[in-house]
This record gives sequence, structure tokens and C-alpha cells, in this order.
Amino acid sequence: GQQLNQSPQSMFIQEGEDVSMNCTSSSIFNTWLWYKQDPGEGPVLLIALYKAGELTSNGRLTAQFGITRKDSFLNISASIPSDVGIYFCAALNYGGSQGNLIFGKGTKLSVKP
Amino acid sequence: DTAVSQTPKYLVTQMGNDKSIKCEQNLGHDTMYWYKQDSKKFLKIMFSYNNKELIINETVPNRFSPKSPDKAHLNLHINSLELGDSAVYFCASSPKGVLGYTFGSGTRLTVV
Repeated sequence: GQQLNQSPQSMFIQEGEDVSMNCTSSSIFNTWLWYKQDPGEGPVLLIALYKAGELTSNGRLTAQFGITRKDSFLNISASIPSDVGIYFCAALNYGGSQGNLIFGKGTKLSVKP
Repeated sequence: DTAVSQTPKYLVTQMGNDKSIKCEQNLGHDTMYWYKQDSKKFLKIMFSYNNKELIINETVPNRFSPKSPDKAHLNLHINSLELGDSAVYFCASSPKGVLGYTFGSGTRLTVV
């Protein structure tokens, strides 16, 4: 079945550093999404990308939809302690009927003050 | 005024029991979902449901059944619970024609 390969699996960084994580697949998707999950909570949508090549920002977060439609990356600039959590990429092919979202395995981010 | 609410938050039960997890959304969304998150944090779709169509992931055992009394609710019923069913179960919803699922805060199921 369709699969998203997310890397790195975990990151341990110093406060103030920039972070980059990415997601690749052998399948083509027309929508990429990035979610963050805090402990004991459900995933929360950070950024949605709908067009190949699209670059979108949300505060210190920037994400891009790869031109091949098979990948996406998320950058976090000037990390702060509250950025700690698990970041998931997600993708689907939306068209006609609602497609189901599939998720990468997550990147666990730890930030040292 | 929680958008997607699940109950209970925690559920500990013995093998062989039957249990239900409730989900309600007050967003007016058309489609609701159940996801399972395993111990390695991998999120996998179990069901998607709107008032017309139930789509079941073929890997989900038939001991799991979604029940929707109305558009705002999608409950998850599990028969004959097994140890391997222990996980966090998330309910989510999305509006028609617009992407961006809203997730509940999860139900941690522990089967002993």
C-alpha cells in the first residue's frame, strides 16, 4: 500500500537552532499536510499544501510541496522549548470522494533550553 | 466547546470484554474517522464514514465496528478485546470539499 517515509525519526537540538524534516513516498499525492502532536493530545494541523512546488509559511514554520509530488519538507526556524512534540507528515489524493489521510511515522523533536 | 470530543480518555479492561468509545463533533463536518496509534506512534486509518458511505480499512478485524447514530457522532465498538488492541484511538472529522482533519484528544485503551 501507499507509504510515507519520514525522517529523521528523532531530533535533539538546542533552543534557537533551525530544524528540518522531510517526507518521501514512491506514490504521487495531490495534498501534503504537516501535523504536530503534543503528549496526551491529538494531532493538530500546522500547514496544508495543495500544489506541487508550493511553499507555505505559518510563523516560524515553512513547508514545501515537492515538485515531483512525491515529497515534502518542514522547516522550523529559531526553535523554542514549546516546539517539543512529534511532527507528522500526511498525504492524500483528494478528488471526487474524500480520500483518507495516511501518515508518516513521525519525527520526535526535543529542544534543550 | 471542544470541537471533537472523545470519551473516555482512558479505558482499562480485561481480555474478552466488549467496549465502546464515543466520539462527538460540533463542527458540522460531514465525514468522521477513527485512527489507531500504536506504541510506536504510527497513525493508521481504521474507518471513514459519512452519512452515505462507510469505508473500512481491510486490515481492521471485524471485531471493530463503527456506529453512527447521527451526523455528529461516530462511536467505535470493539468485541472480544485482545491484548493487541491496546493503543490510543483517535476520532477525527473533516468538512466536505475542504481538507484539514480535526482530531480528538484520543482514548488510551489498555487491555489486560
